[in-house]
Amino acid sequence: GESVGLHLPTLSVQEGDNSIINCAYSNSASDYFIWYKQESGKGPQFIIDIRSNMDKRQGQRVTVLLNKTVKHLSLQIAATQPGDSAVYFCADENTDKLIFGTGTRLQVFP
Amino acid sequence: ETGVTQSPTHLIKTRGQQVTLRCSSQSGHNTVSWYQQALGQGPQFIFQYYREEENGRGNFPPRFSGLQFPNYSSELNVNALELDDSALYLCASSLAMAGSSYNEQFFGPGTRLTVL
Repeated sequence: GESVGLHLPTLSVQEGDNSIINCAYSNSASDYFIWYKQESGKGPQFIIDIRSNMDKRQGQRVTVLLNKTVKHLSLQIAATQPGDSAVYFCADENTDKLIFGTGTRLQVFP
Repeated sequence: ETGVTQSPTHLIKTRGQQVTLRCSSQSGHNTVSWYQQALGQGPQFIFQYYREEENGRGNFPPRFSGLQFPNYSSELNVNALELDDSALYLCASSLAMAGSSYNEQFFGPGTRLTVL
């Protein structure tokens, strides 16, 4: 079945370092992916998206990489800040329905 | 903030009871999707409503039902509550436009349901 999963449940990084969060998907027909950030007590918040005709997309301090050959995408956060502490989800969009992975908790320590 | 509001914020029910959760869409949005998020898991799609009609459903039993009103607000109803229904219920609103393959969904803060 269709699934989106993450490799690491928790990632701890030092403030100022770069963070890389990974995600694998199983549906080779998937063509649109979104990264969400969810802070405690809040709903998921859109960070960045990428379509399958792209390998890389950059935003402000964030970059998403897509490797369709191995069905893998990653979220890179540059100069990680305490405010980046949250759970990060990748999601695969399928006919306006979002398929979320389990999530990775990012912890930023001073 | 996304402009999507949900009520109540927290709710405690017992097995077998029924519950209604409410969602107010962001202004101008015509589509509402509901998700169930169990503790430590990603959100799971329940169903979507577009212009008051169900427009897609996930793998949830019929005791999960919904409504969308003319003002595009929405309700999620769950009958015969089970312990496993304990979760954060999220709604997300979006503006469906002709020719658009995906319409960004804006999530509310969720309703935390506990079933005892």
